[in-house]
Amino acid sequence: DAGITQSPRHKVTETGTPVTLRCHQTENHRYMYWYRQDPEHGLRLIHYSYGVKDTDKGEVSDGYSVSRSKTEDFLLTLESATSSQTSVYFCAISESLGGLYEQYFGPGTRLTVT
Amino acid sequence: DQQVKQNSPSLSVQEGRISILNCDYTNSMFDYFLWYKKYPAEGPTFLISISSIKDKNEDGRFTVFLNKSAKHLSLHIVPSQPGDSAVYFCAAGAGNQFYFGTGTSLTVIP
Repeated sequence: DAGITQSPRHKVTETGTPVTLRCHQTENHRYMYWYRQDPEHGLRLIHYSYGVKDTDKGEVSDGYSVSRSKTEDFLLTLESATSSQTSVYFCAISESLGGLYEQYFGPGTRLTVT
Repeated sequence: DQQVKQNSPSLSVQEGRISILNCDYTNSMFDYFLWYKKYPAEGPTFLISISSIKDKNEDGRFTVFLNKSAKHLSLHIVPSQPGDSAVYFCAAGAGNQFYFGTGTSLTVIP
């Protein structure tokens, strides 16, 4: 199993509060991703990183920011959480970006915004 | 708009028979496709992939077929086993982005 951990695994927070989710990898992979999973949409890319301090937006980036100050850590921040951000969040890593490759996913963080 | 669609939310198959999971996409720029398997309370795990230059890729019991003219992807599992019961996601990629379908829940009945 790829060494990916996510913390916290579960979180309940109130609308308007800031929330930070952490993804940590021990594989030294260059690329890291944040997805959210919702039943009606499947998995959707929020942001991704292609190196330390190098990040870019995904399909559903509004309301989210990310930071990557070290190869092994990728943080996802909800500056002011809203109920629409209640979801399961998955971090993923990969070694290469183009061509055929696989992403390794973390176990997920279940976030509930009340 | 969903660029990758899995129109069957669920599928039940008898053990030993073939499972066929389908996926349709709308963007002709996608150049690689993947299938992931997901168990409850776990992250998705990679199953098999295919490049747009191929029409078939096989790995053990799993075969992925790509029909570019129809923009259709399918995953065949033969023979199906109870341990295959999971949610299956197809994904399509172009450049730096992946797009996932909504998943099909497969139940293999012993």
